[in-house]
Amino acid sequence: AQTVTQSQPEMSVQEAETVTLSCTYDTSESDYYLFWYKQPPSRQMILVIRQEAYKQQNATENRFSVNFQKAAKSFSLKISDSQLGDAAMYFCAFRFNNDMRFGAGTRLTVKP
Amino acid sequence: DTGVSQNPRHKITKRGQNVTFRCDPISEHNRLYWYRQTLGQGPEFLTYFQNEAQLEKSRLLSDRFSAERPKGSFSTLEIQRTEQGDSAMYLCASSLGGGIQPQHFGDGTRLSIL
Repeated sequence: AQTVTQSQPEMSVQEAETVTLSCTYDTSESDYYLFWYKQPPSRQMILVIRQEAYKQQNATENRFSVNFQKAAKSFSLKISDSQLGDAAMYFCAFRFNNDMRFGAGTRLTVKP
Repeated sequence: DTGVSQNPRHKITKRGQNVTFRCDPISEHNRLYWYRQTLGQGPEFLTYFQNEAQLEKSRLLSDRFSAERPKGSFSTLEIQRTEQGDSAMYLCASSLGGGIQPQHFGDGTRLSIL
């Protein structure tokens, strides 16, 4: 069964600095999809970035980028130039066919 | 794009009562998902519809849970004879296809069992 592990329950970053959130997953499949979602307090979950496993190039969306290491089954999220609005729970998710598995999340605090 | 809408936002009920939640997906999305999220955890998959067909159900979805999506539009999730352990946030998401297509989530319905 696919599992997703986020080993950092909480992280903190100074405004304008860079932070990396970790995610590892376990699967025997070779073709799958990976996502990072952000869930601000009392607000809906929104997509941050996505990656197809067959693509070696790391996805980038403005200040957000990933470090996808397929052999290591690692999918970390880097947030550059952190802003106060980045404070939220961040969930890593793995998708194979219609099965979507989420990690337990990392709570990110941004200090002004 | 008006987003995924869920009603009610909060539901408080006594143990043993039945509850029903509604989800209105983004209109052109053919796929609809239900998740359950407890405090400090990520969402857990419950069930998935493609159009009006319910194609997958998690083992988490006991016999007390039933979901429908008539005519492939809105969906309802009903919990019968609620138990304390059913207290959670119930999230609905929709997508235009699978694979890399992202799921768009609603605000969720928070269920509290007294």
